[in-house]
Amino acid sequence: EAQVTQNPRYLITVTGKKLTVTCSQNMNHEYMSWYRQDPGLGLRQIYYSMNVEVTDKGDVPEGYKVSRKEKRNFPLILESPSPNQTSLYFCASSPTMGTEQFFGPGTRLTVL
Amino acid sequence: GENVEQHPSTLSVQEGDSAVIKCTYSDSASNYFPWYKQELGKRPQLIIDIRSNVGEKKDQRIAVTLNKTAKHFSLHITETQPEDSAVYFCAATGYSTLTFGKGTMLLVSP
Repeated sequence: EAQVTQNPRYLITVTGKKLTVTCSQNMNHEYMSWYRQDPGLGLRQIYYSMNVEVTDKGDVPEGYKVSRKEKRNFPLILESPSPNQTSLYFCASSPTMGTEQFFGPGTRLTVL
Repeated sequence: GENVEQHPSTLSVQEGDSAVIKCTYSDSASNYFPWYKQELGKRPQLIIDIRSNVGEKKDQRIAVTLNKTAKHFSLHITETQPEDSAVYFCAATGYSTLTFGKGTMLLVSP
């Protein structure tokens, strides 16, 4: 089944404890992206990747890191999480930029 | 960067009525305009999209129009049904980034 998967789906952590949210797609898509969704703010892009080893900042990259060592995986890293990073996070992929994006199921993160 | 404004933020209609959601964008280089529907607790899913070389696109009860000169595009849903109730997001993209509007919560009452 063609899909985008994320793990974990839910995470409660404390300020400063490094964490990684994994994202994987099995559709051989070149473009991958991370978004955060907050009430009243819609979906805001954190980082994106046009292809392997090519990543760039979106609109809200502060406090986040990503890597794209393989085409299928695009992990989101929070080196020192803070409460303002409490949010719902979505990973998405698409064949290329400017085509339909397929979203993962979301990861609800709470930072205490 | 791109800025996408979406209106209204909430929209309530009676079943069978039409619903229209409007978006404006700022970057004249944007050339792809998708619309996503997000049901409560679910992930966003594409419902229709349009490219800058097309003025209108229709898929059954859903249509999207694009006015490049004015830099605005709209989603039209006809004969609304309760299952159309969801949050709808417009988006605009140029070369590399996808910028979303803040969303419209559509409520369709039976």
